Amino acid sequence: QKEVEQNSGPLSVPEGAIASLNCTYSDRGSQSFFWYRQYSGKSPELIMSIYSNGDKEDGRFTAQLNKASQYVSLLIRDSQPSDSATYLCAVNVYTGRRALTFGSGTRLQVQP
Amino acid sequence: GAVVSQHPSRVICKSGTSVKIECRSLDFQATTMFWYRQFPKQSLMLMATSNEGSKATYEQGVEKDKFLINHASLTLSTLTVTSAHPEDSSFYICSAEGGKGEDNYGYTFGSGTRLTVV
Repeated sequence: QKEVEQNSGPLSVPEGAIASLNCTYSDRGSQSFFWYRQYSGKSPELIMSIYSNGDKEDGRFTAQLNKASQYVSLLIRDSQPSDSATYLCAVNVYTGRRALTFGSGTRLQVQP
Repeated sequence: GAVVSQHPSRVICKSGTSVKIECRSLDFQATTMFWYRQFPKQSLMLMATSNEGSKATYEQGVEKDKFLINHASLTLSTLTVTSAHPEDSSFYICSAEGGKGEDNYGYTFGSGTRLTVV
C-alpha cells in the first residue's frame, strides 16, 4: 500500500464547475497535510495546508480533512482553464520525520 | 514570502561528468534542506535530508557517494551528481524548511533543475 494515494486522472471538468480532488494516506499518526499545484516542468507551489479535522477555505479552494477516514480532499470552485495542472497531495507521514511524502498527483483539465 | 533560489534551472552534461546544483534560501535560515527527484509523469521522491553542519541522511536506494550533499551554512545547500549517467536525467528540486526570527516558513521549494545527461 502506498503511503499517500491519489487517482492519477485526468480529471476533466468544464469551466466554472467544481473540481474535487481526493487523497488517502496510510499512517494514522500523520499530522500535517498539504496540497500543491504543479505545472508541467515547474516546481510545486503550495495551495493550502491543513492540520485539523474539518474544512479550511481560502478563496476558491477548500481543503477537507478527515483523520478517522485518513482522507484529505481539495475542492476548487469556479474552475478556470488556468487551474489545469497536476495537484499533489503531501503528508508528513511519520512522526519525527519532517520530510513530506507526496502522492503521485492528479492531473486536472478544465475545459473552456 | 520566503524564497529559495535554485540554480541552474537547466543543465546538459556529458556522461561521466559531475554537476553541482545550488539552493539558497533568501532572507531566511534553512535549518533543513530536502532534496527530491522527479522523473517524467511521476511524483517527487525524497532523496535525502540535510541539516546545517551535519551529514545528510539518504533515503533507501539513493547512493550517498553518487549524490553528494553539502549544507555548510543556513542559507546554502548543494547537491552534486557525480559521474552522471543518462539514467540520472531527471528534475531535481530542493525544499527548505526554516524561518526567520519567530516566523516559521514551513516548506519552501526551489524552482527545480532539469538535468539531462547525454
